[in-house]
Amino acid sequence: GDSVTQTEGPVTVSESESLIINCTYSATSIAYPNLFWYVRYPGEGLQLLLKVITAGQKGSSRGFEATYNKETTSFHLQKASVQESDSAVYYCALGLTGNTGKLIFGLGTTLQVQP
Amino acid sequence: NAGVIQTPRHKVTGKGQEATLWCEPISGHSAVFWYRQTIVQGLEFLTYFRNQAPIDDSGMPKERFSAQMPNQSHSTLKIQSTQPQDSAVYLCASSLEGVGNTLYFGAGTRLSVL
Repeated sequence: GDSVTQTEGPVTVSESESLIINCTYSATSIAYPNLFWYVRYPGEGLQLLLKVITAGQKGSSRGFEATYNKETTSFHLQKASVQESDSAVYYCALGLTGNTGKLIFGLGTTLQVQP
Repeated sequence: NAGVIQTPRHKVTGKGQEATLWCEPISGHSAVFWYRQTIVQGLEFLTYFRNQAPIDDSGMPKERFSAQMPNQSHSTLKIQSTQPQDSAVYLCASSLEGVGNTLYFGAGTRLSVL
């Protein structure tokens, strides 16, 4: 079936360190799903961080990057130097059908950045 | 743009009671989604509407759960005879046609069934 697996948290890093949160997906109902990272900051709602809809392309936002790798079915989230304000829960997701189709989410990864 | 509005933010019901959750999507968005979030299961898709028509309810428990979208400005999720296992955060999201599944989420309704 369609599913998303991501790094199990919590992940704790120190400020200015690099970060990678792994995400792999299985998409049996669609050949080229859209891929997303959503984020929930403390006290806020779930919001889009970045998305990529074309295999081989990279998306970026707020210093985060993720590359859509069709061969390894991965969409890892990376940042070269994290800040304390990056502390949040990060969700990887794939979009299955069309332009307004549903998303399948991973379980989320809690990131704690220590000052 | 006020974003997706969900009411109430918190709801406490006794076992066996009915709970109705409300969602007002972003004006102009053609699709409305309902998700349920628990620690164990994460974000589970429940159902979605496009232009008010039900498109996919494959995630809805077959009994006790129902969703409607009587007009383009609101949707409801109704849970009859609530059970403790229904306790979760229920999230509503909307999206605009043609932008590749980007969902805009409300703050959620935390349902606690005692």
